[in-house]
This record gives sequence, structure tokens and C-alpha cells, in this order.
Amino acid sequence: QVHLVQSGAEVKKPGSSVKVSCQASGGTFSSYAFIWVRQAPGQGLEWMGIIKGMFGTTNYAQKFQGRLTISTDEFTSTAYMELSSLRSEDTAVYYCARAENYYGSGSYFWGQGTLVTVSS
Amino acid sequence: DTVMTQTPLSLSVTPGQPASISCKSSQSLLHSDGKTYLYWYLQKPGQSPQLLIYEVSNRFSGVPDRFSGSGSGTDFTLKISRVEAEDVGVYYCMQSLQLPFSFGQGTKLEIK
Repeated sequence: QVHLVQSGAEVKKPGSSVKVSCQASGGTFSSYAFIWVRQAPGQGLEWMGIIKGMFGTTNYAQKFQGRLTISTDEFTSTAYMELSSLRSEDTAVYYCARAENYYGSGSYFWGQGTLVTVSS
Repeated sequence: DTVMTQTPLSLSVTPGQPASISCKSSQSLLHSDGKTYLYWYLQKPGQSPQLLIYEVSNRFSGVPDRFSGSGSGTDFTLKISRVEAEDVGVYYCMQSLQLPFSFGQGTKLEIK
């Protein structure tokens, strides 16, 4: 039974960075891929990127290239999403989700979401 | 990139009546391993998305049998045989075959 607990809400200034954590329990952490998805207010789900299990290979959506870093800490079973150069359009709920395998294809199970508000 | 297109974007259904949502992908979601990497998620109000259907037609554990998925290749459908009040929310199809993974725009289901 997978359980994902994300860090709390953040308020950030434009131009700053935010780092959201996602602690996982249930299963061997390195055996699974994690994705990050965001949802702007009243909008749909937007896939941001993935970190695959085993070797930690990452792949990011084109629109986030250069601003997004996804990482993991196997010792604390935690995945991280760091987004830099924040702008108001980055205000959204950010979700982590865990795959059922290390390469990422398949079903996903979701954390509770973290609201990031970017405002001056 | 694979584009996922859902229709309709909203549905208003009387309890007990059926509902159907279409999802079309711009590329086939059939992998050489024989699996089709198409999933349906429901996001209830104020909640995270939850898995309903995996690999086109398999109900996830605990999902009522009034939910069914069908389709192949690029055309997929989610059906609810008899809508109940607890089914309200936004339904998303998702492909996890090709990076970047992608979602449909979402279909909002409300009860009449």
C-alpha cells in the first residue's frame, strides 16, 4: 500500500525558487519512478517531469527545461521537485505520484498535493 | 508529443442514468509488450486524482463495477452504467507510454 506525504503550502516571491518534498512509504523506494504534475487554479493536470527508479534518470517537459529539477533521496525515501525563476503563472497545486515500476509506464498513485503561491 | 483529447468537457447526468466519456490519443498507445498504456483517473472535489481504470479496461481495486473502460489504439471510452452522486468530479485520461506523459483536458461530471 503506497502512501505519499507532501510538504506544506508555500508562498514565494517572483524570481525565487521552491522545493517540494514527497515522502513515500510502502515498497522499496528505488524500485519506483516518480512524476510531478501541477494543476493551476481551475485548470487541468499538467505533467512536469519524471525521475525513474534504479538509476535516477530524469526527463522534463519542454516548457520546464532549465527551471525544473527532480531528485530523490533513497535514505529518506523522499522525492523532490525544485522549480526556479518562479512567476505568477507557477501558482498551482503540485502533485507527486508514484509509478508501479521503476521505468514509469503504468498506473500512478498520488500524494495529497502542495499549494505553491507566487506573489509579490 | 502525444496529445490526448477528451470529449465532452462537461456532463450533467441524472442519478441512475449512464454517462460516457471519450478520449482520443494522437498516437497509438499500444506497446510492443502487448499492453496499452491508457489510464482513467477521477479527481473528486478538493482531492488528488485517484486511479479508476488501468490499461484501458481494468478496474482498480475497490472501483465499483458500474465503471468500465474500453477501446484500443487511439480511441478509448469510459462508461458509467448508472451515475451516482459520489461520482461527481473531473475525469482525466492519461497516457504513460511515451514521454512526455500527457493528460486529457478533463471532463467535469455533475449531477442534475
